[in-house]
Amino acid sequence: KQEVTQIPAALSVPEGENLVLNCSFTDSAIYNLQWFRQDPGKGLTSLLLIQSSQREQTSGRLNASLDKSSGRSTLYIAASQPGDSATYLCAAPQGGSEKLVFGKGTKLTVNP
Amino acid sequence: ETGVTQTPRHLVMGMTNKKSLKCEQHLGHNAMYWYKQSAKKPLELMFVYNFKEQTENNSVPSRFSPECPNSSHLFLHLHTLQPEDSALYLCASSQIWSETYEQYFGPGTRLTVT
Repeated sequence: KQEVTQIPAALSVPEGENLVLNCSFTDSAIYNLQWFRQDPGKGLTSLLLIQSSQREQTSGRLNASLDKSSGRSTLYIAASQPGDSATYLCAAPQGGSEKLVFGKGTKLTVNP
Repeated sequence: ETGVTQTPRHLVMGMTNKKSLKCEQHLGHNAMYWYKQSAKKPLELMFVYNFKEQTENNSVPSRFSPECPNSSHLFLHLHTLQPEDSALYLCASSQIWSETYEQYFGPGTRLTVT
């Protein structure tokens, strides 16, 4: 059974700092991994999807990496801004299915 | 409308009421999902529909009844709920058997059971 863990649970940084959010998963037989952003009381916004054949994916200041063998993914945010403050969620598929298993998220606060 | 929409955005209901949540996806996808997000708990998958057929019921109590009349619409019928059912209910869609299976989420319905 897939289990997803995110560390740290919360992170507070000053504006401009580069930061890394961590995600680990127990079942490495995944075909992709998704990172989402969630603002308070809102739905999820897909940030990046890394396919199993890729090692990383980039979108603007965001870079996500995937290491299936070690069951780990990281989300790197460069030059953080107050607008990046949100909860970041990592999700990996259950087995080879389309069903996603989510971590509890990392709540990021970027202070001006 | 674009993406995935959900109505209503907020719902307050008593334990004896019957209400329904609606989800519509405008992405041409063939799979739709209901998730529950409670405070301090990870998102929990409730139901999965592929090509209008239910393929997953994650041990959800029968007071939650899903309906998928076509590949674009998904409903969650609610009756005799409990206060612990208060949560954010999220709908998502994806294209299964595609290259990525990427899921897209709606804004959610904030449900409060009194």
